[in-house]
This record gives sequence, C-alpha cells and structure tokens, in this order.
Amino acid sequence: NAGVTQTPKFRILKIGQSMTLQCTQDMNHNYMYWYRQDPGMGLKLIYYSVGAGITDKGEVPNGYNVSRSTTEDFPLRLELAAPSQTSVYFCAGSGAEDTQYFGPGTRLTVL
Amino acid sequence: QQQVKQSPQSLIVQKGGISIINCAYENTAFDYFPWYQQFPGKGPALLIAIRPDVSEKKEGRFTISFNKSAKQFSLHIMDSQPGDSATYFCAATAGDDKIIFGKGTRLHILP
Repeated sequence: NAGVTQTPKFRILKIGQSMTLQCTQDMNHNYMYWYRQDPGMGLKLIYYSVGAGITDKGEVPNGYNVSRSTTEDFPLRLELAAPSQTSVYFCAGSGAEDTQYFGPGTRLTVL
Repeated sequence: QQQVKQSPQSLIVQKGGISIINCAYENTAFDYFPWYQQFPGKGPALLIAIRPDVSEKKEGRFTISFNKSAKQFSLHIMDSQPGDSATYFCAATAGDDKIIFGKGTRLHILP
C-alpha cells in the first residue's frame, strides 16, 4: 500500500493562475481532508469529505474548491492563486479508528 | 470551545532528559486524544493516542498522561534522543468528522 500520495511535491504559481493539487489514497478510507500549514503554525483544515460525493468546508475554505467523485481521489483546486495561499498543503485520510494518515505534502509558492 | 491549547511553542532538552509537552481542551465531548510527530519536509504521523477511560498510556519512551477532571493531557518523552527532534502536535476529536489540532511544539534535543 502506498498510503496517501500527493502530487506535485513543489509548485510555483503566478498570481491569478489556477492549479489542482492531487491526492490519492489506497487505504479505502471514507474520510479525507485537506490542510494547510504555514511556517511555524499548526494545521488548518480547508475542506473535508466523509465519502464519495460528499464534501464540506473546514476552517479556511475561501479560495479553494474540492470534489470527491471516487473514494480514492480528493483533489484540491485553487482558482485564482494569491500570495496568501503560499503554504504547505497536506492531504490526509482516515478510517473508522480516528487516526489520520497524512501524505508527504505539496509546497506551493505564489509569486 | 473547539480549541486545543498546546504549550510550549518550542522546547530544547538535553540528550537523555525528559521532554514534556502539555495540552488543554474545553470540549468535554472530545473522546480521542492523539499525538502526531512531524519531521521537517514530511507529513505528520500518529505517534501515540489515548481515550479518556485511562489516565496513562505508555509506548516505549513515549507516555501520554491524561487528566480528565482538569481537561489536560501531556506527552512525556523519556531519555530524549536527537532523533526525537521534530514538531509535535496534540489533537482531539469528538468522534465526528473533524480532528482539532494544537498549534504544535518544536522540540530540539541537544546531542
């Protein structure tokens, strides 16, 4: 099992560009999450999903969108990139046991 | 009420010493308290977790102490080693969809 994988590892965007951060899990987790982590800060929940076709906002959803068409995939979309979205983005999945399994992260810089 | 307050923000401990990180919460509905460990450039990973029906859980050099009446829990790392240098996050969940993370503690073990 690869667990939770994220692509790309690094990305530089210009202001106003859009991109999709990919997240895939092979652990058959129903729950999936997107977090952002700013330097020296904790994890802030952007969006989450409790199953295919169901998504909900977290603490900081503005400027982002998600979809969950399959159990395995949970992409995060940035439509109009802004410098405030410079961060490290983590995708995570969890099953019935409450443990969250994190991917390796995507480091995004918006210039 | 949904917050988990974590302290200290950073901690320096001599090799062989005891590292102690504290967390406090308000929401009495929380019923699962995990600790996550994050190394630079990596995603957080579950280290140890406790449920409120026990006051202590030990796994190797890592111990969680839990005080339900005070709504506090702490992580103790015995015989701290340079390899333990990482950021540690406490967290809590009420068994619903989301987990609430503390802001993290950057631990540095001096060789």
